[in-house]
Amino acid sequence: QSVLTQPPSVSGAPGQRVTISCTGSSSNIGATYDVHWYQQLPGRAPKVIIYGNSNRPSGVPDRFSGSKSGTSASLAITGLQADDEADYYCQSYDSSLSGRVFGTGTKVTVL
Amino acid sequence: QVQLQESGPGLVKPPGTLSLTCAVFGDSISSSYWWSWVRQPPGMGLEWIGEIYHSGVTNYNPSLKSRVTISVDKSRNQLSLKLSSVTAADTAVYYCARIDRAYMGLWGQGTLVIVSS
Repeated sequence: QSVLTQPPSVSGAPGQRVTISCTGSSSNIGATYDVHWYQQLPGRAPKVIIYGNSNRPSGVPDRFSGSKSGTSASLAITGLQADDEADYYCQSYDSSLSGRVFGTGTKVTVL
Repeated sequence: QVQLQESGPGLVKPPGTLSLTCAVFGDSISSSYWWSWVRQPPGMGLEWIGEIYHSGVTNYNPSLKSRVTISVDKSRNQLSLKLSSVTAADTAVYYCARIDRAYMGLWGQGTLVIVSS
């Protein structure tokens, strides 16, 4: 059972903005460990789209943005496109477990 | 271009040992990165298994620690995963990944391992 909780699904029409939350605790996100976000297209390996809470790797559109506050983090996708349909996972470090942890995952559907 | 490629048996009988390797192309496994294993059961989320530095220092998921061994073979530029006493719950796609600072910046394509008698 993951220590980082995400909503199972979010959806939006093309062009809209959606946000995905990642809720942790004082032993992970709240302990100032960075949050990273991964996009997993169907049948593909995950790919990092946000690292260090709010940084985008080269090649990732600026439609994707990340933020962190307290024991939670968020991923926002603006100008939603059909090829944004994927599963999204947050990831951090947990001091109680002494290891890396993933969120439960969120499926984004473009209506 | 750096690439990671997992390989190993696609079928393992319980309660045997799952053994996978991850070949690293375009980079040295002795470079300043940690190398990790992650798995994903069919239709489910990602689970961090563990990681290793080229010096041999390892960190494991506490829930799997008693059954997992991760090692590096510098001569072959690859890392390995061994998971003992497998059950059907260990059926998953297994990925290797390179850890860039604190995030997994490079992933292999993954390999499906089915545990079944």
